[in-house]
Amino acid sequence: TQLLEQSPQFLSIQEGENLTVYCNSSSVFSSLQWYRQEPGEGPVLLVTVVTGGEVKKLKRLTFQFGDARKDSSLHITAAQPGDTGLYLCATHKAAGNKLTFGGGTRVLVKP
Amino acid sequence: NAGVTQTPKFRILKIGQSMTLQCAQDMNHNYMYWYRQDPGMGLKLIYYSVGAGITDKGEVPNGYNVSRSTTEDFPLRLELAAPSQTSVYFCASSTTGGPGELFFGEGSRLTVL
Repeated sequence: TQLLEQSPQFLSIQEGENLTVYCNSSSVFSSLQWYRQEPGEGPVLLVTVVTGGEVKKLKRLTFQFGDARKDSSLHITAAQPGDTGLYLCATHKAAGNKLTFGGGTRVLVKP
Repeated sequence: NAGVTQTPKFRILKIGQSMTLQCAQDMNHNYMYWYRQDPGMGLKLIYYSVGAGITDKGEVPNGYNVSRSTTEDFPLRLELAAPSQTSVYFCASSTTGGPGELFFGEGSRLTVL
């Protein structure tokens, strides 16, 4: 059983549509990070959320951390082809040194 | 800015061969990590290091070894390669253990035939 479950696994939408991807767990997180990975590259950090109920915005991306700190969502408004990639959520385990990743959501935005 | 540099980018190995994936960072980060990513999947931690001379196992350490003799370098050794080790390997570094940002290299694609 994975610590972090991401859904959906794959999402294909047309340019201009909105989308939401989810990251869930039965465990409480001290913090949660979202990364985006483009083909042939390593993941790049988008945001870190640390407070239950926290909402952060990065241009057309909105990140929310659940009140109980067990889940998070990423919402993209008016998606563009440049948003195509693998979106990964990740959290540090209690020891603090090891970052554990979810399985990822692959997003394809068609022009 | 070089950041995290991995070599080689691609490699094909025969079953039973050994090799070392090189990783170097120029950001003076104490923490370094090795992850593997199987097709369409997330990343799984192989080994990590909190500083020179200190390493520890992650989720999937079997079949791999690491060393950390300097702050900059964190090589990953594959002994007796097996088809199950076919994957893309990512090295990463960070200034802190958490929840700081991890900076990743571009990956090393390894195929074992």
